[in-house]
Amino acid sequence: KQEVTQIPAALSVPEGENLVLNCSFTDSAIYNLQWFRQDPGKGLTSLLLIQSSQREQTSGRLNASLDKSSGRSTLYIAASQPGDSATYLCAVRVGTSGSRLTFGEGTQLTVNP
Amino acid sequence: ETGVTQTPRHLVMGMTNKKSLKCEQHLGHNAMYWYKQSAKKPLELMFVYSLEERVENNSVPSRFSPECPNSSHLFLHLHTLQPEDSALYLCASSQVLLGSQYFGPGTRLLVL
Repeated sequence: KQEVTQIPAALSVPEGENLVLNCSFTDSAIYNLQWFRQDPGKGLTSLLLIQSSQREQTSGRLNASLDKSSGRSTLYIAASQPGDSATYLCAVRVGTSGSRLTFGEGTQLTVNP
Repeated sequence: ETGVTQTPRHLVMGMTNKKSLKCEQHLGHNAMYWYKQSAKKPLELMFVYSLEERVENNSVPSRFSPECPNSSHLFLHLHTLQPEDSALYLCASSQVLLGSQYFGPGTRLLVL
């Protein structure tokens, strides 16, 4: 059974810092991995999706990397801003059966002005 | 209206009530999903529909009954719920089953 772990559970940084969020998964036979952002009381917003054949994806100040063999992904946020404050969720899709996304518990990020 | 919408946004119900949650996607997607998000727990997949057919039921109790009348609408019918069913219920859709999922804002459910 796929298990997804995110460390740290919470992170507080001053504005402007570069930071890294970590995601690890137990079954390396993944189809893809997706990073989401969730604001309090709201749904999820997709940030980046990395296919199993890819090593990284970039969007603006965000860069996600994937190392399937070690079961790890990182989300790098450059020059953090208060508006980046949210919970960041990592989810993996196992195999090619399609439907199942397994989520981590998330990292709650606070960027202080 | 664009994206994925959910109604109601908040719901309080007693254990003997019957209510329904509604999800509508305006993205032309073919797959829709129900998730449950409880405090301090990861999101749990409940149901998956592809082209209006249920393709996955993740061992969800029968007091939760999904319905997908067409590719744009998804319902979750609730009856005789328990207090531990209180959670945020999220709907999502994707172009195809393997595609990136887009989420609605969720329905915050409280069962008394």
